[in-house]
Amino acid sequence: AQTVTQSQPEMSVQEAETVTLSCTYDTSESDYYLFWYKQPPSRQMILVIRQEAYKQQNATENRFSVNFQKAAKSFSLKISDSQLGDAAMYFCAYRNDRSGSARQLTFGSGTQLTVLP
Amino acid sequence: DTEVTQTPKHLVMGMTNKKSLKCEQHMGHRAMYWYKQKAKKPPELMFVYSYEKLSINESVPSRFSPECPNSSLLNLHLHALQPEDSALYLCASSRAAWGQGVEAFFGQGTRLTVV
Repeated sequence: AQTVTQSQPEMSVQEAETVTLSCTYDTSESDYYLFWYKQPPSRQMILVIRQEAYKQQNATENRFSVNFQKAAKSFSLKISDSQLGDAAMYFCAYRNDRSGSARQLTFGSGTQLTVLP
Repeated sequence: DTEVTQTPKHLVMGMTNKKSLKCEQHMGHRAMYWYKQKAKKPPELMFVYSYEKLSINESVPSRFSPECPNSSLLNLHLHALQPEDSALYLCASSRAAWGQGVEAFFGQGTRLTVV
């Protein structure tokens, strides 16, 4: 079974600064996707970024980038130039891509990010 | 249109009531999901529908009854719930549950309170 671990229940960052959220996972699969979702107080889970395991290049979406270390099973999220609107609960999630298996998401426990003005 | 729409946004129901939650998407996705989320916890998978057929039921009590009338619509029928069932219920959809899969899109959820 796959597990996803987020060891930082809470983090804070000063506006305009950079913050890194950690995520590790455990799997015996070779093909999978990793995601970071953001859940603000409005409750909607919003996809921030995704990474395909077969890609060595780290994914980037504007101010959001990941550091994907496949051998170490590590998938951290870096938020640059933090904005007040980045304040939310961030969930790391895993989804396998093995043929014939169900593709449901396995979530980490979440990191609550506070952005200080 | 990348929206998953859930109604109602809030629901308060008694333990003897029957109610339904509704979820709709028009992205042509063939996989739809129900998740339950308690405060400050990650979502927990309840059901997966793939091509309008129930493919995964994560040992959910029978007081929760899912239904997928067509490829755009997913319902969750509620009956004789307990106070511990109070939670945020999230619906999601993705291109497919089986085969080449990509990210899931989530609705805003229904905040359910059982009194």
